[in-house]
Amino acid sequence: AQSVTQLDSQVPVFEEAPVELRCNYSSSVSVYLFWYVQYPNQGLQLLLKYLSGSTLVESINGFEAEFNKSQTSFHLRKPSVHISDTAEYFCAVSDNNDMRFGAGTRLTVKP
Amino acid sequence: EAGVAQSPRYKIIEKRQSVAFWCNPISGHATLYWYQQILGQGPKLLIQFQNNGVVDDSQLPKDRFSAERLKGVDSTLKIQPAKLEDSAVYLCASSLQNSPLHFGNGTRLTVT
Repeated sequence: AQSVTQLDSQVPVFEEAPVELRCNYSSSVSVYLFWYVQYPNQGLQLLLKYLSGSTLVESINGFEAEFNKSQTSFHLRKPSVHISDTAEYFCAVSDNNDMRFGAGTRLTVKP
Repeated sequence: EAGVAQSPRYKIIEKRQSVAFWCNPISGHATLYWYQQILGQGPKLLIQFQNNGVVDDSQLPKDRFSAERLKGVDSTLKIQPAKLEDSAVYLCASSLQNSPLHFGNGTRLTVT
């Protein structure tokens, strides 16, 4: 079965600074990759996904992630964060049978 | 479209009691998942249904947890008897084939 490792449990950054949340996965088959976001006191929401095609995928609020097959990574980046980006971010991998989540990275954006 | 509906939103029980959670997935979504999210951890898959059949229940503690999806639509997850370590948020999600999951708001269970 596939697995996901999120290397940083907490990432504190100042507003307008760039950020990268790291995600590595392991799987013996082709996978689909996702980032979900959980804002305080809210449910999980899909942020972006890689299913096929271009390895660089973007969300509507400025985040992007790049699928790197050789490094088995799917790191999430944003060039300039806002206070409102404070949330828990989960990387997830699916091999077409089930979806497994990483432990999460808590992004805290400080003024 | 209506989202994934879960109830109750919160539940507090004593250990050794039983509890049940209900989930109504998005209409037309054949795949339904139950996840357990313990505070500070990522969601852990408990069981996955495809229509009314079980696809994966390898991480479901079957001595105390059970789930069913009669008629391939709504689903219930039951814990009997509950333990302190079952305190968590129980998330239901649904999806189409090869599509992202849509999550409900979850049921926060506290076992005292």
